[in-house]
Amino acid sequence: VLTQSPSASASLGGSVKLTCTLSSGHRSYVIAWHQQQPEKGPRYLMTINRDGSHTKGDGIPDRFSGSSSGAERYLIISSLQSEDEADYFCQTWGPGIRVFGGGTKLTVL
Amino acid sequence: QITLKESGPTLVKPTQTLTLTCTFSGFSLSTNEVAVGWIRQPPGRALEWLALIYGDDEKRYSPSLKGRLSISKDTSKNQVVLTMTNVDLVDTATYFCAHGVNAVDVWGQGTTVSVSS
Repeated sequence: VLTQSPSASASLGGSVKLTCTLSSGHRSYVIAWHQQQPEKGPRYLMTINRDGSHTKGDGIPDRFSGSSSGAERYLIISSLQSEDEADYFCQTWGPGIRVFGGGTKLTVL
Repeated sequence: QITLKESGPTLVKPTQTLTLTCTFSGFSLSTNEVAVGWIRQPPGRALEWLALIYGDDEKRYSPSLKGRLSISKDTSKNQVVLTMTNVDLVDTATYFCAHGVNAVDVWGQGTTVSVSS
């Protein structure tokens, strides 16, 4: 249902766009993004709607944003910091089920 | 402020039943607009959703594990309990409980469970 690239990299101070792709039949679904820093539990970042509007979790910095295009939901991180090096998982839901993507490991160079 | 904390054994033997408890604060699990779920993460792998319980006691389970899982709540104790029967080596993972009807919006810190004889 959810496809993510296994890895991504970007430079310190730069920006990166991570993609979560919904499978056919689920293109209109809302998704959530979660961050998991090394050796830590996940943290909720934001929810992204089909139209790209998004709602962020408490305390999530402004440099984290989201957007959407068709079946793709994006997490955009700007002004990359070393602590942004983490795994990023997307999540969606349907009647009676919740699903996570395989995660993208972001390396900050 | 919503917080959740998992507790349970760190080591279980194959074929045994695993019981995990999630103790939460900052909300009441008493209506269908509130839910607590369990998610696990095997070492080095992705997150896997397991089960969800709503405040009205409706329950949902992962289709792949449905026959082995049971989720329940004790509203008076602010606890949610997950039991998994007939555990196997592949059930070794960190188990998280989490708040959220649809999106998980608050995670527990997780508890690591190893299955080994």
